[in-house]
Amino acid sequence: GESVGLHLPTLSVQEGDNSIINCAYSNSASDYFIWYKQESGKGPQFIIDIRSNMDKRQGQRVTVLLNKTVKHLSLQIAATQPGDSAVYFCAERAGGATNKLIFGTGTLLAVQP
Amino acid sequence: DTGVSQDPRHKITKRGQNVTFRCDPISEHNRLYWYRQTLGQGPEFLTYFQNEAQLEKSRLLSDRFSAERPKGSFSTLEIQRTEQGDSAMYLCASSSIGTGANVLTFGAGSRLTVL
Repeated sequence: GESVGLHLPTLSVQEGDNSIINCAYSNSASDYFIWYKQESGKGPQFIIDIRSNMDKRQGQRVTVLLNKTVKHLSLQIAATQPGDSAVYFCAERAGGATNKLIFGTGTLLAVQP
Repeated sequence: DTGVSQDPRHKITKRGQNVTFRCDPISEHNRLYWYRQTLGQGPEFLTYFQNEAQLEKSRLLSDRFSAERPKGSFSTLEIQRTEQGDSAMYLCASSSIGTGANVLTFGAGSRLTVL
């Protein structure tokens, strides 16, 4: 079945360093991918998204890379700050008529001062 | 506040009781979603509405679960005869049709604890 998973459950980085969070997906028909950030006690918050016809998209301090050949998605955060500490989820939309997003397990990003 | 509102934020109940959660989406959003999240896991899709029509339901939504969106605005999620396995965070999200339709805006969630 469809699944989205993360390589690393926990990532610890020093403040100011760049962070890379990885995600693997299994459904080659997925046409849309999105990253969310979730802080403790809060709902997921949108970070950045990318359609399957793109391989890179940049936002403010964040970049998402999509490699459809190996079904891999990554989120790069530049100059990581303590406020970036959270759990990060990737999610995919399966394409076709569905509008649901399928979420991966999540990666905890811990930023050390 | 123009975000997604959920009520109550926390609910503790005894096994076998019924519970109901309410979600008020962003006013101009006509799509509304319910997800369930357990500790350490990503949100799992339960169901989604476009206006008042329930268009998709997950197999996770057993017959003890029912969701409604009677007037295409707020939605309720009811769980009957709660079980300990129902303990989770229930997240509501909304989105618009058209540009940005795929971006779900989530509420803070309703945490259910079944004793």
